[in-house]
Amino acid sequence: SQTIHQWPATLVQPVGSPLSLECTVEGTSNPNLYWYRQAAGRGLQLLFYSVGIGQISSEVPQNLSASRPQDRQFILSSKKLLLSDSGFYLCAWSAGGRWERMNTGELFFGEGSRLTVL
Amino acid sequence: AQRVTQPEKLLSVFKGAPVELKCNYSYSGSPELFWYVQYSRQRLQLLLRHISRESIKGFTADLNKGETSFHLKKPFAQEEDSAMYYCALSGSNNDMRFGAGTRLTVKP
Repeated sequence: SQTIHQWPATLVQPVGSPLSLECTVEGTSNPNLYWYRQAAGRGLQLLFYSVGIGQISSEVPQNLSASRPQDRQFILSSKKLLLSDSGFYLCAWSAGGRWERMNTGELFFGEGSRLTVL
Repeated sequence: AQRVTQPEKLLSVFKGAPVELKCNYSYSGSPELFWYVQYSRQRLQLLLRHISRESIKGFTADLNKGETSFHLKKPFAQEEDSAMYYCALSGSNNDMRFGAGTRLTVKP
């Protein structure tokens, strides 16, 4: 069966420090991968998504970046954190390929990482 | 650009009453729409998708392209339906965008 792991679960970082959140998926190949930020009253904001190694689509200009060094690994990074980067970050995956051909488009979410920037 | 709007942040109904969670979208192409649910202390999970035309846990949702809506309905709400509900839309690039969510509370 497929599983998704996301870490760390909680992180407290000072302003200006770097960030690395990691997400890995097991039990599938060539997944679509996603990073979201969940904020109260604002829902889930899509930050980045990737349909393959080295293919990253950025949705919102911001202080964050994403990388996909391996097929099932998705990393969210920042060189210098801002106070506004505080939030709850969710990683998700879906089966690869265009949905109407191959799968249902269902996203499977990790447990999330709560980032507090002080 | 695609956009999902859930106008109600909070919705409260009594057990046994009908419930409707509203969702409107904007998208220039043919949309793929979903409802996700997050129960207390659980991960966000898929509830239903419009292409399947299914009923899950008594919930249904009909895509109305004329009104660009995908409202979630259940004729008789149960206390265990209390949760956060998100409407989501997928574009042609496998991206998935969510609305702001509606917190449903079903009172006994």
